[in-house]
Amino acid sequence: QQQVKQSPQSLIVQKGGISIINCAYENTAFDYFPWYQQFPGKGPALLIAIRPDVSEKKEGRFTISFNKSAKQFSLHIMDSQPGDSATYFCAASKYNNNDMRFGAGTRLTVKP
Amino acid sequence: NAGVMQNPRHLVRRRGQEARLRCSPMKGHSHVYWYRQLPEEGLKFMVYLQKENIIDESGMPKERFSAEFPKEGPSILRIQQVVRGDSAAYFCASSQISRGAGYNEQFFGPGTRLTVL
Repeated sequence: QQQVKQSPQSLIVQKGGISIINCAYENTAFDYFPWYQQFPGKGPALLIAIRPDVSEKKEGRFTISFNKSAKQFSLHIMDSQPGDSATYFCAASKYNNNDMRFGAGTRLTVKP
Repeated sequence: NAGVMQNPRHLVRRRGQEARLRCSPMKGHSHVYWYRQLPEEGLKFMVYLQKENIIDESGMPKERFSAEFPKEGPSILRIQQVVRGDSAAYFCASSQISRGAGYNEQFFGPGTRLTVL
C-alpha cells in the first residue's frame, strides 16, 4: 500500500517562479518528513527535513510547510533556478525508526 | 571522507543469470538499506540490515532475492535467475548506529543500474 502520496508527477516552472510539490501521508505515527533531491544518474540526497512540532522550516530558497491535522506537507522552492531541475521525493518515517517510506517523486523542470 | 559506494554502476545480465550488487556504507555507519527504483517511479524499500543481521525484509520479493551484510566487507544484494522485470536502479543507503534518540539520516549511494536482456 502506498503510505505517502506525492503530486504532481511532473512540474514545469519558469526561472524565478515558485515550485510547489505536495505530499500526503496516512500513518499518524510518522513524525519525520524529509525531502530528497535526485539528479539524473545520481542517488537521492537529503535536501531539507521537518518534524511535526513546527509548521514550517526554511533553508535558503527551500521551505517545508507542514499541516499535521490534514496529514499533508509540501516543498516550496522560491526563485526557482534551472539548476533546481531534478526529481524530488518526499518521505516519512517514525521517530527512531529506520523504515522510511517514499513518495513516487516529482520531476521538476525549471525553464530559463 | 568517502560516501556510500556501490558497484558496479551498471550491470547487464541475461535472463536466468545471477546479479550481485555491492554496497559499502559510509565510514562509521552500521545500518544499510536497499531500495529499488523502477523507471518513472519512486524508491521502494526492499530490506534493512545491520552487521550480520537482517532487521526488516518486508519489501523483498519472496523468491530469488536475498541480502547480506557480513561482519567484514560490503553488503550484497543478490538476485538469482534474473528476469526482465528485475531491470531497475538499485540504491543502497546507510546511516549511523542509533544512539537512542533523533533521526538517522540516510545517505544514498549512486546506484547500480541493472539491465536484464
